[in-house]
Amino acid sequence: AQKVTQAQTEISVVEKEDVTLDCVYETRDTTYYLFWYKQPPSGELVFLIRRNSFDEQNEISGRYSWNFQKSTSSFNFTITASQVVDSAVYFCALSGLNFGNEKLTFGTGTRLTIIP
Amino acid sequence: GAVVSQHPSWVICKSGTSVKIECRSLDFQATTMFWYRQFPKQSLMLMATSNEGSKATYEQGVEKDKFLINHASLTLSTLTVTSAHPEDSSFYICSARETGVVENEQFFGPGTRLTVL
Repeated sequence: AQKVTQAQTEISVVEKEDVTLDCVYETRDTTYYLFWYKQPPSGELVFLIRRNSFDEQNEISGRYSWNFQKSTSSFNFTITASQVVDSAVYFCALSGLNFGNEKLTFGTGTRLTIIP
Repeated sequence: GAVVSQHPSWVICKSGTSVKIECRSLDFQATTMFWYRQFPKQSLMLMATSNEGSKATYEQGVEKDKFLINHASLTLSTLTVTSAHPEDSSFYICSARETGVVENEQFFGPGTRLTVL
């Protein structure tokens, strides 16, 4: 069984502060994908990143960065110099790698509020 | 590219009626589509996996006779909520996986908000 835990239910930070969203996962698969999605108030999911379990390199995309630590089964997401537009619910998700095992298991989400 | 649409974007219906939600991949073919349900302030829960030309696979606890899924073409999957009740009020989101692409990249639709009175 797969499980994704986002222990932080809600986070509020003042604009321009850095913030890290935690994600811990459990899976019996030796190969898998990890994802982060953003869900603004409109409800539409916005894809942020997909990481293959083979690749433990950290990734940076603008103000966003991701830290994948296989040893601790964590895939944390950091927003640097946060902006009001970053306010949203963020979901971490996990799936298998192979065809037929691609359904996504989502965490419970972290509601991020950036205070102007 | 890789756009998924859902129709309607929102629907209000009376208890006991049936509602059909469409999920379309607009610029790619999708052998597999997924249907999720999201209650207010909760996470997305997978309801079923829809495969073109075959029966859908439902997750545990999801009533297949209540949530009918049809995936008759490579670009369209439909979810019909039969005899809807207020507890079925939720945000329904579909995703589509492009045929032939090895990596698990799913494109999400904008969602359909269902309110049952």
